[in-house]
Amino acid sequence: DVKVTQSSRYLVKRTGEKVFLECVQDMDHENMFWYRQDPGLGLRLIYFSYDVKMKEKGDIPEGYSVSREKKERFSLILESASTNQTSMYLCASSAGGTSYNEQFFGPGTRLTVL
Amino acid sequence: ELKVEQNPLFLSMQEGKNYTIYCNYSTTSDRLYWYRQDPGKSLESLFVLLSNGAVKQEGRLMASLDTKARLSTLHITAAVHDLSATYFCAVVRGNAGNMLTFGGGTRLMVKP
Repeated sequence: DVKVTQSSRYLVKRTGEKVFLECVQDMDHENMFWYRQDPGLGLRLIYFSYDVKMKEKGDIPEGYSVSREKKERFSLILESASTNQTSMYLCASSAGGTSYNEQFFGPGTRLTVL
Repeated sequence: ELKVEQNPLFLSMQEGKNYTIYCNYSTTSDRLYWYRQDPGKSLESLFVLLSNGAVKQEGRLMASLDTKARLSTLHITAAVHDLSATYFCAVVRGNAGNMLTFGGGTRLMVKP
């Protein structure tokens, strides 16, 4: 079974803090994704990575950056957290290739920025 | 740009009733997923629909796809409380093989 884990289920930070959200997958997947989930908006793609040290902006990258130093780990960084970044963050991974492969999701991190 | 609209966003229904959730998308795609999310949990894949006219059923849920109308439906038959969850449709982006665009989700509450 694919397993995608996220470092925290709940996180509370203060405005202006630097925040790291970590995601690890154990299936040797090439692709990894970060989404944020807000009521009524579904999941929106922040960034994705198709290989180590490679990244692409998603639909809402502003205010976020990412890091992928190892294949199994993908980090989402909020350089200076703001209250409008309070949300649920979901990580996903999938196998690589030119055609679509199903994404598998982690349990999510609920981030509150005060 | 692919847009996916799901409705209704919230649905409260009695046990035993039938209802349909709709998912419209704006550009051509060759694959559509339905996911279920329980409160505080991650997304669980329910169905993948690959071609026009595809129909898949699992228990009281049945999903269908009409690629010409760019419409998928998730039909609930004789709802039970255990089906209470949020349901998302997600469409594979045609020109970016590894990315999905999600609908806004339908929060379903089934009352005894």
